[in-house]
Amino acid sequence: ETGVTQTPRHLVMGMTNKKSLKCEQHLGHNAMYWYKQSAKKPLELMFVYSLEERVENNSVPSRFSPECPNSSHLFLHLHTLQPEDSALYLCASSQASGSYEQYFGPGTRLTVT
Amino acid sequence: GENVEQHPSTLSVQEGDSAVIKCTYSDSASNYFPWYKQELGKGPQLIIDIRSNVGEKKDQRIAVTLNKTAKHFSLHITETQPEDSAVYFCAASRYSGGYQKVTFGIGTKLQVIP
Repeated sequence: ETGVTQTPRHLVMGMTNKKSLKCEQHLGHNAMYWYKQSAKKPLELMFVYSLEERVENNSVPSRFSPECPNSSHLFLHLHTLQPEDSALYLCASSQASGSYEQYFGPGTRLTVT
Repeated sequence: GENVEQHPSTLSVQEGDSAVIKCTYSDSASNYFPWYKQELGKGPQLIIDIRSNVGEKKDQRIAVTLNKTAKHFSLHITETQPEDSAVYFCAASRYSGGYQKVTFGIGTKLQVIP
C-alpha cells in the first residue's frame, strides 16, 4: 500500500452504535489530521496529531474521540452519533514542520441512521 | 477566524477553453497556498501550490498567481480536457503550533463539456 489509506470506505451506523475509522500513512510523515467534509461547506478540521501528540481539537463534540498510537496510524472512535454527523471523513498526513502539502486518503463515507 | 472565499462555486467550459478560479484569504500570516483536485470517490489531491515569496507558478496547463497585497490567488487551467472535470479547492496555510493550519475554500465544481 502506498500513500494514505482509510478503512472502511463506507459505514452505516445507528445512533447508538460504536464504531471506529482507521487511517494509515506510508509516507514517513509525522503529523496526521482528521477532516469532516459536508456538502456545500469547506473542509472542517477536527483533530491534529503532531509527533504523536494531539495539538488541535477544533471544538469537536465528545462523541468523536481520536487516537494516534504511532506516527503511521490514526483512529477516530465514534459513539452515539447524530444524523447531522453523516459526512465524508478524510484523513491527511504531512510533515510536522514547515509549510508542506497535506496528503489525503480517499475518505470514509459515514451515514448515521 | 481565518477565512478563504472561493468563486465561482460551479463552472462549465467547453473542451479546449480556459478555466479560472479565484480565491481570497483573510489571514495575512498565510504563506503557502495549495490547490487540490477532488474526483468522485477520492480524497483531494494536490495539483499545484505556491509560496508567498513567489507571484506566479506554472506546470504544463495549470498556473497559479498570487497577489499578497490584495490577498488574492487564482488557478488557471488552459486547454481544458474532459478529465479536468472535478471539484477544485483552494487553501491558505501557515505553520502554527506544530502543524500545518490549513483553511480551505468551499470548492468549485468544474465541468468540461466535450
